[in-house]
Amino acid sequence: AQTVTQSQPEMSVQEAETVTLSCTYDTSENNYYLFWYKQPPSRQMILVIRQEAYKQQNATENRFSVNFQKAAKSFSLKISDSQLGDTAMYFCAFMRYNQGGKLIFGQGTELSVKP
Amino acid sequence: DVKVTQSSRYLVKRTGEKVFLECVQDMDHENMFWYRQDPGLGLRLIYFSYDVKMKEKGDIPEGYSVSREKKERFSLILESASTNQTSMYLCASSLADGYTFGSGTRLTVV
Repeated sequence: AQTVTQSQPEMSVQEAETVTLSCTYDTSENNYYLFWYKQPPSRQMILVIRQEAYKQQNATENRFSVNFQKAAKSFSLKISDSQLGDTAMYFCAFMRYNQGGKLIFGQGTELSVKP
Repeated sequence: DVKVTQSSRYLVKRTGEKVFLECVQDMDHENMFWYRQDPGLGLRLIYFSYDVKMKEKGDIPEGYSVSREKKERFSLILESASTNQTSMYLCASSLADGYTFGSGTRLTVV
């Protein structure tokens, strides 16, 4: 069975600085997707970034980028130039190919951006 | 934009009550899911459905059932609510690997 682990329950960062959230996962699959979701106080889950395992290039979305290390089964999220609106719970998630879209989530990391 | 609407944002129910959590999506998504969110545990899959009248158990189905009579609606049922079912419940729909979530129902069982 696949598992996803986020070992940082809480983190804080000063506005405009950079922060990295960690995620590791365990799977015997070779093809899969990885995601980072953001959940602000409004509770609406928002997709931040996704990575397909067969792609070696790390995904980037504006201030958000990932460091995908397939052999190490590591998938960290870097947020550059942190903004107050980045304050949220962040979840790492795993999805196998052809498994009908079931997501397996990590425990979450609560990020606070301080002015 | 695809919308997933959960009927209640907050709900308080008594132990032993039968509880219905409703979820409706406004696109033609085949797949629908119910997750439970608890602090320190992340989101855990309760049930999912790939088509009308079809359902499959997720990782924590005990104490829950589901109904999908129409493609756009997926209901989660707590047959006899218990205090350990106090939680946040999130519904989602997907097409392939693109998920859309509802904004959650925070259920308190007293």
